[in-house]
Amino acid sequence: EVQLVESGGGLVQPGGSLRLSCAASGFTFSTYTMNWVRQAPGKGLEWVSFISSSGTYTNYADSLKGRFTISRDNARNSLYLHMNSLRVEDTAVYYCAKGAGSKSWLIDYWGQGTLVSVSS
Amino acid sequence: EIVLTQSPGTLSLSPGERATLSCRASQSISSNYLAWYQQTPGQAPRLLIYEISTRATGIPDRFSGSGSGTDFSLTISRLEPEDFAVYYCQLYGSSSRTFGQGTKLEIK
Repeated sequence: EVQLVESGGGLVQPGGSLRLSCAASGFTFSTYTMNWVRQAPGKGLEWVSFISSSGTYTNYADSLKGRFTISRDNARNSLYLHMNSLRVEDTAVYYCAKGAGSKSWLIDYWGQGTLVSVSS
Repeated sequence: EIVLTQSPGTLSLSPGERATLSCRASQSISSNYLAWYQQTPGQAPRLLIYEISTRATGIPDRFSGSGSGTDFSLTISRLEPEDFAVYYCQLYGSSSRTFGQGTKLEIK
């Protein structure tokens, strides 16, 4: 059974930084692409970032303007999102999401999410 | 950037009825990379349909997807109580990963 468990969310002040983690199990992590998707309170889904199975290719939503960095550790079956210069509008539940294949952009499984609140 | 617009914003129907949800793209989509997700309150989204019309593993056959070009739809043939949720369409692929804003399917 695919399991994705996010951690690292919490309350942070504007301008601060945070690192989210996602522990994956139930599949061969190193052979699947991964994503982060966020959802502001009461709002819709917003794709944030993508990383290839090997970690050599990454892609980000234009709106992030270089503030976020996605990475992965295939030896630890873990996905990360480093978030810098956080803004109030970054407040959201952040979902770790598994790609459907080694090169796929399709998301087939989601974690339960971790809440990031940016407020002074 | 392609924008996906879903309609209606809210759809009120009764169990047993047929639901048709629309997803319109701001420009024609040349790939088949359109998916539908279901999200119930407090839960993570669940993949229902990918490549416009292929049901994901374990998805009942009352769910079907169709469309081409700029107009796509998700149809639920006979609504079950567990189907009342928010539905999102999404373009996926190297050129776009846009989500629609969602359609809330509520019990009438």
